[in-house]
Amino acid sequence: DAKTTQPTSMDCAEGRAANLPCNHSTISGNEYVYWYRQIHSQGPQYIIHGLKNNETNEMASLIITEDRKSSTLILPHATLRDTAVYYCIVRANTNAGKSTFGDGTTLTVKP
Amino acid sequence: KAGVTQTPRYLIKTRGQQVTLSCSPISGHRSVSWYQQTPGQGLQFLFEYFSETQRNKGNFPGRFSGRQFSNSRSEMNVSTLELGDSALYLCASSPQGWGREQYFGPGTRLTVT
Repeated sequence: DAKTTQPTSMDCAEGRAANLPCNHSTISGNEYVYWYRQIHSQGPQYIIHGLKNNETNEMASLIITEDRKSSTLILPHATLRDTAVYYCIVRANTNAGKSTFGDGTTLTVKP
Repeated sequence: KAGVTQTPRYLIKTRGQQVTLSCSPISGHRSVSWYQQTPGQGLQFLFEYFSETQRNKGNFPGRFSGRQFSNSRSEMNVSTLELGDSALYLCASSPQGWGREQYFGPGTRLTVT
């Protein structure tokens, strides 16, 4: 699976959009981009994933660049409960249930 | 639908003992994966089971083993516990099909003394 690079930490004001970047410059054609988050001592929570098109669900939006070498997770209106570690993972669809987690980005939403 | 459940939630064992952890996936999910999370190593993949067969394996010693039952419930076993095995053990289930997302349970916090 391709390696990902994320900033160690980010801050965001409550009510504002949080934009979390992820670099995956070695991504292969059959690899998806997944985002999860983990709130302290809980299991990671699935947020969204995509292959090459932008995706949106009730939690977030995922913007993938045309060359697929980077992506951005957008939380449109961050709340204090969005404070968590956010993981960007690149995973081939042939690897099924195996995900390789990096260190993620610690997002702190401030009042 | 009920989420992924793991039992027990907390466990304290002594070095040298063995332990068995249990995971019940979301109904209909046939893939179950196990992960170990420690402050020093982060989240690391242990193994994955699909239809009672181990489909993927991480880089852990043979003391770590698992199995999956016909109802997709899974167990993982750690024998001859070491202090370094203290960790949060997470189970994740996934719907059938390639490229599907994983849903994690709350984890089992294992402390080895």
